[in-house]
Amino acid sequence: GDSVTQMEGPVTLSEEAFLTINCTYTATGYPSLFWYVQYPGEGLQLLLKATKADDKGSNKGFEATYRKETTSFHLEKGSVQVSDSAVYFCALIRIGGYQKVTFGTGTKLQVIP
Amino acid sequence: GEEVAQTPKHLVRGEGQKAKLYCAPIKGHSYVFWYQQVLKNEFKFLISFQNENVFDETGMPKERFSAKCLPNSPCSLEIQATKLEDSAVYFCASSQSEGSQETQYFGPGTRLLVL
Repeated sequence: GDSVTQMEGPVTLSEEAFLTINCTYTATGYPSLFWYVQYPGEGLQLLLKATKADDKGSNKGFEATYRKETTSFHLEKGSVQVSDSAVYFCALIRIGGYQKVTFGTGTKLQVIP
Repeated sequence: GEEVAQTPKHLVRGEGQKAKLYCAPIKGHSYVFWYQQVLKNEFKFLISFQNENVFDETGMPKERFSAKCLPNSPCSLEIQATKLEDSAVYFCASSQSEGSQETQYFGPGTRLLVL
């Protein structure tokens, strides 16, 4: 079945540090890939997405590139802020399937001043 | 509306009591999904609807869980005779269309605590 693997957290960074959260996937066909973010006590927000190989999704300074050859969708940000502290979920939706989202286990990011 | 709405935000039930959660999808979205988020951030898919029809119910524990999406009403997820392990955050999501991998937009969740 489909699966998404994320790096274990928590990740603790100082403000303005560079962020990478690794994500790899296993799926039949060519899924769409997503990053969702969950701020403390809140729901899930879509951060960015990519629907085909080599697409780059970007939003709020975050970027991720759909790499078919390595089945990866790593999340990056050049300079994190305290307000970026949250749990980040990598996810996929498989084409031609029932559209349920397959989530990774989440990576907690803590940014300290 | 422009966002997925879920009510209530918090729900506390004694073991064995019934719990009913509601979800209003984004206007114009024809697909509704329910997910359960348990400890350690694990998401479990429960059920999906295409309009008022069940689309995929492979994740539903059918003996105590039921769900409906009726025309002109919020969708609902009902748990009969709740158990301690039902304590979780229940998220509803909606999306626009079938087969084209449309993005799912999530509501704020309902936090259910079973005591």
